[in-house]
Amino acid sequence: GQSLEQPSEVTAVEGAIVQINCTYQTSGFYGLSWYQQHDGGAPTFLSYNGLDGLEETGRFSSFLSRSDSYGYLLLQELQMKDSASYFCAVNSNYQLIWGAGTKLIIKP
Amino acid sequence: NAGVTQTPKFRILKIGQSMTLQCTQDMNHNYMYWYRQDPGMGLKLIYYSVGAGITDKGEVPNGYNVSRSTTEDFPLRLELAAPSQTSVYFCASSYSITSTGDAYNEQFFGPGTRLTVL
Repeated sequence: GQSLEQPSEVTAVEGAIVQINCTYQTSGFYGLSWYQQHDGGAPTFLSYNGLDGLEETGRFSSFLSRSDSYGYLLLQELQMKDSASYFCAVNSNYQLIWGAGTKLIIKP
Repeated sequence: NAGVTQTPKFRILKIGQSMTLQCTQDMNHNYMYWYRQDPGMGLKLIYYSVGAGITDKGEVPNGYNVSRSTTEDFPLRLELAAPSQTSVYFCASSYSITSTGDAYNEQFFGPGTRLTVL
């Protein structure tokens, strides 16, 4: 079967750093994407890793290790507006296969 | 550009009724997708299309049908609505993927349709 595992909820303090992990098991793999979704909103693209290593985009970074079937999203200098759900998704055979999402709760 | 637009935003159906969810994109994307998202869950792919006239099933196609007569439009048809189809439906589009099948290109989502079947 195909599965992605990520924590259901993470809590952090404003200004801190948080890491959201994602492990996957899929029948085809071309890369790992991350999306953000605010309550009541649509998912928006954050980053993509097609190769092993770290990708940095402003306060957000994403990492991939193909050999470990593992990736993470790192959010730095957390702001209240970062409170949202974060989804990892595997690019597999012309489709995106989505994890169940991690709800990030940020406390002042 | 309006991006990806969906109508309606909300709809309540009775069991057994049918409806069409509309999706239009103005970015000239070849790829379009329909997802459903149940509360607290990730997105499940219903159908996708790689271009006008070409559609294929995703993970959860039962109870749905699609067509793609133009690049811009990708309607989703629900026949004989059931309570299990109560969900939020998202349409998305993206650029063509590479010849190796890498669908890394960013998917752009519409605002969603919240459907309740009673």
